[in-house]
Amino acid sequence: DVKVTQSSRYLVKRTGEKVFLECVQDMDHENMFWYRQDPGLGLRLIYFSYDVKMKEKGDIPEGYSVSREKKERFSLILESASTNQTSMYLCASRTPGRGNTEAFFGQGTRLTVV
Amino acid sequence: GESVGLHLPTLSVQEGDNSIINCAYSNSASDYFIWYKQESGKGPQFIIDIRSNMDKRQGQRVTVLLNKTVKHLSLQIAATQPGDSAVYFCAERIDTGFQKLVFGTGTRLLVSP
Repeated sequence: DVKVTQSSRYLVKRTGEKVFLECVQDMDHENMFWYRQDPGLGLRLIYFSYDVKMKEKGDIPEGYSVSREKKERFSLILESASTNQTSMYLCASRTPGRGNTEAFFGQGTRLTVV
Repeated sequence: GESVGLHLPTLSVQEGDNSIINCAYSNSASDYFIWYKQESGKGPQFIIDIRSNMDKRQGQRVTVLLNKTVKHLSLQIAATQPGDSAVYFCAERIDTGFQKLVFGTGTRLLVSP
């Protein structure tokens, strides 16, 4: 059974803290993604990585950075957490390919910044 | 620009009815369109996709229709069941050298017995 695991279901952090969200996949997928999900806005792409040590900005990268040192792990970093980063964060992975559109998602991390 | 939108935020149906969830997109360069289902407390899960050169694709109890003329995508669920209650997202795959998925805002489907 394929699995994408996010390290925490719920997190509460203080404004200004540096926050790490971890994601691990066991499917040997090249591509990994970080989205945030907000009511009425759907899923918005923050960053994605198409291979180890490679990364690309998504649509809303400001205030975030990422790290992909190993193929199975993709970390999202909030350099200095702010209240407007309170959200549900979703990690996903997939194998690139002409006819492959399926991405596998983790269960999400609900982050609250106070 | 890259945007995918939905006509209805919430759809309520009776068990056994057919459901139709609609989606409008704006990016003509997308090569695939995809539907995902998100149940409460879980991440989105792939349902079905359709290539941009097709008009219709059928799966098990689901059919996706693509109208490129008006940039409209729909997901039809036959004989809707309570287990179909979820938020449904349409997404488009954009390949600019790196394939990325752009998601819509979602429609909540409520199925009552």
